[in-house]
Amino acid sequence: NAGVTQTPKFQVLKTGQSMTLQCAQDMNHNSMYWYRQDPGMGLRLIYYSASEGTTDKGEVPNGYNVSRLNKREFSLRLESAAPSQTSVYFCASSEMAEAFFGQGTRLTVV
Amino acid sequence: GIQVEQSPPDLILQEGANSTLRCNFSDSVNNLQWFHQNPWGQLINLFYIPSGTKQNGRLSATTVATERYSLLYISSSQTTDSGVYFCAVGGYSGNTPLVFGKGTRLSVIA
Repeated sequence: NAGVTQTPKFQVLKTGQSMTLQCAQDMNHNSMYWYRQDPGMGLRLIYYSASEGTTDKGEVPNGYNVSRLNKREFSLRLESAAPSQTSVYFCASSEMAEAFFGQGTRLTVV
Repeated sequence: GIQVEQSPPDLILQEGANSTLRCNFSDSVNNLQWFHQNPWGQLINLFYIPSGTKQNGRLSATTVATERYSLLYISSSQTTDSGVYFCAVGGYSGNTPLVFGKGTRLSVIA
C-alpha cells in the first residue's frame, strides 16, 4: 500500500523556471493538502482541496497554483520560481480524521 | 486561526531517560495528531488523538481537549527516537487542514 506518493523527490530550478510537483494517493481520501517546511517554521499550508473539484488557499499561497486532477491526484505548480520558494514540500491526504503525508520534495531555487 | 505552541523547543536526553513534550492550542479542535520527523525528513504518524489517552510501545499520548493541551510521553528513550516531534491540530469541521506547531527537536545521546 503506497499511501501518498510525491514526485520528484529532489529538484533544482533556476530563478524564473516553472515546474509542477505531483502528488497521488491510493487511500480514496477526499481531502488533499500541500504544505511547505522551512527551518524552524514547522509546516505551513499552501493550498488544500476538501474534495474533488474544489481548491482553497492556505496560509502561504502566493507564487503557487494547484490542480485537483481527479480524486487521487493533486498537483502544485510554480509558474516562475524564486529563491524564497526553496523549501521542502509535503503533500498529504485525509478523510474526516487522520492525515497521512508523502515523503516530501526537496526543492532548491538558485 | 488556531495557534499551536509546543514546548520545549529543544531537548537533549541521555539514552534510557524519560521525557514529556507539550502541545497547547488556542481553540476547540476535532483532530490532533503527533508526528515524528526522522533525520531523513520523513513524517511518521505517531498518534491520532483528539481526546483521551493512547499508548504504543514506549510512547503514549494524552489530550485534554477541554483544557486545550496534549502531552506526548517517551519512556526509556533510544537514539532512534531522535528527530523533531510535531503536534498538529484541525478545527471543528471534518476536513479542516492541520495547523502545525514549530516542533520539539529531541536529541538522544548514547
